[in-house]
Amino acid sequence: LAKTTQPISMDSYEGQEVNITCSHNNIATNDYITWYQQFPSQGPRFIIQGYKTKVTNEVASLFIPADRKSSTLSLPRVSLSDTAVYYCLVGDGERNDKIIFGKGTRLHILP
Amino acid sequence: NAGVMQNPRHLVRRRGQEARLRCSPMKGHSHVYWYRQLPEEGLKFMVYLQKENIIDESGMPKERFSAEFPKEGPSILRIQQVVRGDSAAYFCASSPPTGPAFFGQGTRLTVV
Repeated sequence: LAKTTQPISMDSYEGQEVNITCSHNNIATNDYITWYQQFPSQGPRFIIQGYKTKVTNEVASLFIPADRKSSTLSLPRVSLSDTAVYYCLVGDGERNDKIIFGKGTRLHILP
Repeated sequence: NAGVMQNPRHLVRRRGQEARLRCSPMKGHSHVYWYRQLPEEGLKFMVYLQKENIIDESGMPKERFSAEFPKEGPSILRIQQVVRGDSAAYFCASSPPTGPAFFGQGTRLTVV
């Protein structure tokens, strides 16, 4: 399982774009990158998943450089309700395996 | 398509009693994962199951804890003879053979 490293915490302001970068230097060929969001007392919520280049959905964008050793989750125009913990995970896209969560990034949005 | 359903949402047990936590995966999902989370801490992997099989239980305590995912019905996480230290939020997730996992809202277990 590829290990991931992300900042422990980040602060930003309402209306700003927030970019959270995750390092995964030993990512394997079959590995996909997945991000989850977790609010207090709730289960993690799937945000986005990608393999390479750029993926965009209605919630976020995921940027993955050619070497795939890192990825950046981009949240456009954040609001106070985006305050949460964000987890970056790397795992085999050909077959699912146990999912190990790191400590995540605690994002705090200020008014 | 309903999401992952966990019940009960809250469960109170006295020390020494048994706790049974249920997880109904999303339709079409054959893989289930259980996690434990203490306040202000991360999600700790417990067990990964496919229909009728335990694939990986490396995160589950050897004693008092068991999990199953029968051919029919929900996945069950069972904790026998609960102790205060078992108090936590327990989350279940489900996935198809490939693709992301989706989580339920959790069961908050309180042992008194």
